[in-house]
Amino acid sequence: DTGVSQDPRHKITKRGQNVTFRCDPISEHNRLYWYRQTLGQGPEFLTYFQNEAQLEKSRLLSDRFSAERPKGSFSTLEIQRTEQGDSAMYLCASSFPTTVHEQYFGPGTRLTVT
Amino acid sequence: DAKTTQPNSMESNEEEPVHLPCNHSTISGTDYIHWYRQLPSQGPEYVIHGLTSNVNNRMASLAIAEDRKSSTLILHRATLRDAAVYYCILRDGGTGNQFYFGTGTSLTVIP
Repeated sequence: DTGVSQDPRHKITKRGQNVTFRCDPISEHNRLYWYRQTLGQGPEFLTYFQNEAQLEKSRLLSDRFSAERPKGSFSTLEIQRTEQGDSAMYLCASSFPTTVHEQYFGPGTRLTVT
Repeated sequence: DAKTTQPNSMESNEEEPVHLPCNHSTISGTDYIHWYRQLPSQGPEYVIHGLTSNVNNRMASLAIAEDRKSSTLILHRATLRDAAVYYCILRDGGTGNQFYFGTGTSLTVIP
């Protein structure tokens, strides 16, 4: 098992463009979480899935953000009409539902909006 | 969500114990105390968690005050690889499915 993987690791885009990130969780984990982290701050929760169901979304997840996990395996996070304020590290984590205390994080996707 | 307060930064000498404090005076009875750490350029990683009793694992120990309003993460012998940002997080054991990180404590280990 290679852990949680995220792709791409870095993304530079122009303001107004759409971007999509992918997260592949640990294969046995049916919970998947998305967080966003800006410089000098801790990660901020965005949303989480149990299998393919999106069970909770943060107020931070504006209508320009959408996350999917269509087959309960990998997940995608799309940001439409990117803004400079979207520049951040986007982190994905996974866990079993019975071990929520131990979330395994991926290395993150660093987004820079110019 | 209950808040935690941690010092912004701490230093420790290599191979000495490190005590990282966390205050959580508004903790509720169902809140678990978690510690995660984030090494440079990596995602956070789980360190330890507890509810009321002190906990030990291969990475660290967690000492929880009797009134649960504070806790201390103990690294028994700091190594250079322990240099990281350490986050103390509360999670409602009944309804909480995600973590609300603060700004954490940046630990510097001096050789």
